[in-house]
Amino acid sequence: AQSVTQLDSQVPVFEEAPVELRCNYSSSVSVYLFWYVQYPNQGLQLLLKYLSGSTLVKGINGFEAEFNKSQTSFHLRKPSVHISDTAEYFCAVSGSFSGGGADGLTFGKGTHLIIQP
Amino acid sequence: NAGVTQTPKFQVLKTGQSMTLQCAQDMNHEYMSWYRQDPGMGLRLIHYSVGAGITDQGEVPNGYNVSRSTTEDFPLRLLSAAPSQTSVYFCASSYRGGRETQYFGPGTRLLVL
Repeated sequence: AQSVTQLDSQVPVFEEAPVELRCNYSSSVSVYLFWYVQYPNQGLQLLLKYLSGSTLVKGINGFEAEFNKSQTSFHLRKPSVHISDTAEYFCAVSGSFSGGGADGLTFGKGTHLIIQP
Repeated sequence: NAGVTQTPKFQVLKTGQSMTLQCAQDMNHEYMSWYRQDPGMGLRLIHYSVGAGITDQGEVPNGYNVSRSTTEDFPLRLLSAAPSQTSVYFCASSYRGGRETQYFGPGTRLLVL
């Protein structure tokens, strides 16, 4: 079974400041990791993903994340946030629910990023 | 491309009533899935399908039924609604499976009284 822990339920940050959203995972199968963003009253959209290769992954809107296998982490970072980054951010790991392959995603509980002017 | 569409956007049910949440995609994706989102819980997988005629259970399948008769459609059925099924439901699709980028619909907000 797989699990995802997002260590902060809410992160307030001033505009133009850097931010890091933390994510730790556990999985007994090969790891595929994702960050999704949910803007108010909308569905989720992919920010970035790690499947293999370089451990530093770049995504949309200036976000990046680093896969750290020894620490089982996949933290999301942005060097300078904007008001429009206010949203809910979800870390997810692909996994198996029926004993087969990677059947679906296990999500963390989410981190609400609040940008203060 | 409309992407992933869901109907209705909002629904109120009484305990014991049945209903079907509709999901359709026009991207010719083989894989489709249903998640529920509850406050402070993230999203949890209910059921998924890897192609027409093939479905399987996710993390929280109890109280829900699915079928996949076409590539485009993946309806979710609540046979006897319970207050614990009050939630926001999201449908998602991808080309082949759970390891790929999932494309999410806008969601259906369900309230069971």
